[in-house]
Amino acid sequence: AQSVTQPDIHITVSEGASLELRCNYSYGATPYLFWYVQSPGQGLQLLLKYFSGDTLVQGIKGFEAEFKRSQSSFNLRKPSVHWSDAAEYFCAVVPGGSQGNLIFGKGTKLSVKP
Amino acid sequence: KAGVTQTPRYLIKTRGQQVTLSCSPISGHRSVSWYQQTPGQGLQFLFEYFSETQRNKGNFPGRFSGRQFSNSRSEMNVSTLELGDSALYLCASGNGDLETQYFGPGTRLLVL
Repeated sequence: AQSVTQPDIHITVSEGASLELRCNYSYGATPYLFWYVQSPGQGLQLLLKYFSGDTLVQGIKGFEAEFKRSQSSFNLRKPSVHWSDAAEYFCAVVPGGSQGNLIFGKGTKLSVKP
Repeated sequence: KAGVTQTPRYLIKTRGQQVTLSCSPISGHRSVSWYQQTPGQGLQFLFEYFSETQRNKGNFPGRFSGRQFSNSRSEMNVSTLELGDSALYLCASGNGDLETQYFGPGTRLLVL
C-alpha cells in the first residue's frame, strides 16, 4: 500500500538557521508529490509540488524541495527560517491515476526559537 | 478569486445525532474532496466528487456520505455520530488532470 513517512514529529530550529524536513514515500510508479503547511486553526496551504521534470522545485515563502527517486524522498528545505514559519508541515502523494486522493504523512511540527 | 469556503466553522453535536457540512469550491473548480483530520490518525481521505459523481472513496464506514450539486458545491453527512468522529473536516477543490487541491479552513466537529 502507498504510504508517506515523515520521520520527525517535532523539530525546533533557531530563527535564521537552515531547515530540512524529511519525507519518504512508498509507491511504485512516478508519484505526484506535495508539501503543505498548516498554521494553527487553519486549513492547508500548498507550498510546492512535483509532477515531473527538474527534480529541484521552488515553492512559496522561500521553500524548495528535491525529489530523489533513488531514495524515494522529497525533502523540504529553507535556507533561513523565520519565526512565522512555525507551523505543521505535511508531505503528500497522489497515487497515479487517482486525481483526488492525497495520501498524507503524519506531519512535522516546526517550532522556531528566537 | 474567492477561496474555498466551509460552513459551519465549528459544530457541537451529541452521540447519535447526524450532521451536514458544506463546502463551496473555488469558482470554476469541478472537483471537491473531503478529508478528516484527527490527532491520532492524521489526515485521511474521505471521498472525492467530480461533476456530481463520486470518483473516489476512502476507507470510512457508510455513516459517512456526501454529494455534489450542479454548481459544484458539496455536502458531507455523518449519521449516528460517534465520539471518534470528533475531528477537523477539510474540504479541497481542484480542476484539471494534474490537479492541485486548494483547501478550505475546515469545520471543527466536536461530538459529546
